[in-house]
Amino acid sequence: SAVISQKPSRDICQRGTSLTIQCQVDSQVTMMFWYRQQPGQSLTLIATANQGSEATYESGFVIDKFPISRPNLTFSTLTVSNMSPEDSSIYLCSVETAGLYGYTFGSGTRLTVV
Amino acid sequence: AQKITQTQPGMFVQEKEAVTLDCTYDTSDQSYGLFWYKQPSSGEMIFLIYQGSYDEQNATEGRYSLNFQKARKSTNLVISASQLGDSAMYFCAMREGGGNFNKFYFGSGTKLNVKP
Repeated sequence: SAVISQKPSRDICQRGTSLTIQCQVDSQVTMMFWYRQQPGQSLTLIATANQGSEATYESGFVIDKFPISRPNLTFSTLTVSNMSPEDSSIYLCSVETAGLYGYTFGSGTRLTVV
Repeated sequence: AQKITQTQPGMFVQEKEAVTLDCTYDTSDQSYGLFWYKQPSSGEMIFLIYQGSYDEQNATEGRYSLNFQKARKSTNLVISASQLGDSAMYFCAMREGGGNFNKFYFGSGTKLNVKP
């Protein structure tokens, strides 16, 4: 299965600033997925990122707040813009896992906004 | 309606004993996949086990096994011989067939604490 390197692993940020999270995959993948996990909650899909096209956002998430880049088949970034304390969450990227019909996840980025 | 329901917010188990984590799902698709993930306090999501809707045998992976009851739409995770390192959040998830095949639905999770 794919190996995903996600960074930063954690960060503490001031409100009003932005943070860009990177995910690097060790193989080419068509789609990458970004999730948010608020404290004590389950995972919620933010958007699906295809290479060469704009990301597809789920209800409740907008591009201005969570811009995503997908410049090639092994890399993607998610930016959390104009942060507020409500954005404090774990953010995870994932890719489809060949042969298992499931997902492999990055190690997550634990974001705290103060 | 909730796609995935985990009714146990927290569970305790004695080390070396077995524990069952419950999960029920809701779908009208004939083809779907069911997954369990483990999330330690570090935050990463670790894939544990998979059950396909057409699989006739219950899935097993080492100390993990599924009690898959299709008619009841339940897929309970059984962890045998619990270890201290099993303390974590456990999420049940489903991937449906059809047009939304790339969407995963996650349950709310069960926090498992293994006592020495």
